[in-house]
Amino acid sequence: SQTIHQWPATLVQPVGSPLSLECTVEGTSNPNLYWYRQAAGRGLQLLFYSVGIGQISSEVPQNLSASRPQDRQFILSSKKLLLSDSGFYLCAWASGVEQYFGPGTRLTVT
Amino acid sequence: AQSVTQPDIHITVSEGASLELRCNYSYGATPYLFWYVQSPGQGLQLLLKYFSGDTLVQGIKGFEAEFKRSQSSFNLRKPSVHWSDAAEYFCAVAHNTDKLIFGTGTRLQVFP
Repeated sequence: SQTIHQWPATLVQPVGSPLSLECTVEGTSNPNLYWYRQAAGRGLQLLFYSVGIGQISSEVPQNLSASRPQDRQFILSSKKLLLSDSGFYLCAWASGVEQYFGPGTRLTVT
Repeated sequence: AQSVTQPDIHITVSEGASLELRCNYSYGATPYLFWYVQSPGQGLQLLLKYFSGDTLVQGIKGFEAEFKRSQSSFNLRKPSVHWSDAAEYFCAVAHNTDKLIFGTGTRLQVFP
């Protein structure tokens, strides 16, 4: 069966510091991969998605970036965090239309 | 452009009562529709999906949803709510085969 992992589970970072969140999927190959963000009390905002290694589509211009160095690995990064980057970050995978979500990373920028 | 509307931001029901969460979509063709549930601090779990065929679909945890093309709706129902159903519920429509468009969510509170 397929499993999706995200780490870390929680993170507290100062403004201006770098960020790296990792997502890995097991039990499937060549999945579509997604990064979403939920701000407090808000819905889901799609940040990036990838249909293959090295293929990244950005949905929202911001100081975040994503990379897919391996088939089942998706990384969300920032060089300098802003206060507005605080939120709950969710990774998801899909082999068809339906998406399956990881447990999320709670990021607090102080 | 495709869109999903969940008109109820917050719903409160008593345990054992019936539940209906509303979802309306805007889509030019036959949509792929989904309901997800999110417990506090957790990821989203797929409850059920509609692709085609029978318009009443059954999901996990005793939930069902009915697709009504004439009303552009895909409402989620449960005949008897349990306290553990308290969570946030998201309706989504597939935008081609690569992306989902999510509604803003409905927060369900269950009183004993």
